[in-house]
Amino acid sequence: ETGVTQTPRHLVMGMTNKKSLKCEQHLGHNAMYWYKQSAKKPLELMFVYNFKEQTENNSVPSRFSPECPNSSHLFLHLHTLQPEDSALYLCASSFAAYNEQFFGPGTRLTVL
Amino acid sequence: EDQVTQSPEALRLQEGESSSLNCSYTVSGLRGLFWYRQDPGKGPEFLFTLYSAGEEKEKERLKATLTKKESFLHITAPKPEDSATYLCAVQARGGSNYKLTFGKGTLLTVNP
Repeated sequence: ETGVTQTPRHLVMGMTNKKSLKCEQHLGHNAMYWYKQSAKKPLELMFVYNFKEQTENNSVPSRFSPECPNSSHLFLHLHTLQPEDSALYLCASSFAAYNEQFFGPGTRLTVL
Repeated sequence: EDQVTQSPEALRLQEGESSSLNCSYTVSGLRGLFWYRQDPGKGPEFLFTLYSAGEEKEKERLKATLTKKESFLHITAPKPEDSATYLCAVQARGGSNYKLTFGKGTLLTVNP
């Protein structure tokens, strides 16, 4: 595997389900990010981890819970989501704060 | 608050018809401006980083330029495979070192 990978690529869940999104980067980067991309809206930064430590949480509802066990892996745990949470969730990584970010293919999430 | 406005929202070109995409930005102090390409259902693909006014970067048929208020992505003799959404993002000095503020993108369609 190369670059940034995400699983699953597609996810359909009910409002009462609990699921997790997984991201893995094979670039030797130190920072990892979760973004939300909704139709007709700019990418929204959700969380940032640097060397496994969370450095940013952009007022994201608590029904989204990130986890970063090491610099290569990032998870987004989902529970009791709302239909408006349906979107493309993108993971990205960068070597350091000021460097360009490299994105994974995304997980297309549909909440019924 | 940092802002990025991209124009036009959508652009249709004939193969070989050169044009430019615009990214206007407002930021307290620019650390870097990033261009990405995004294909449908995929994550953004990094293209360029520009750091200071007057800087230019080229890759195949694409050339990015930067002034103090805007950036242009020039596409010379485009081909159908250049069809994609082009995203612009800025990173500001100070505040969050990690945050990229994205525009909504320009959807480029190149017809054969």
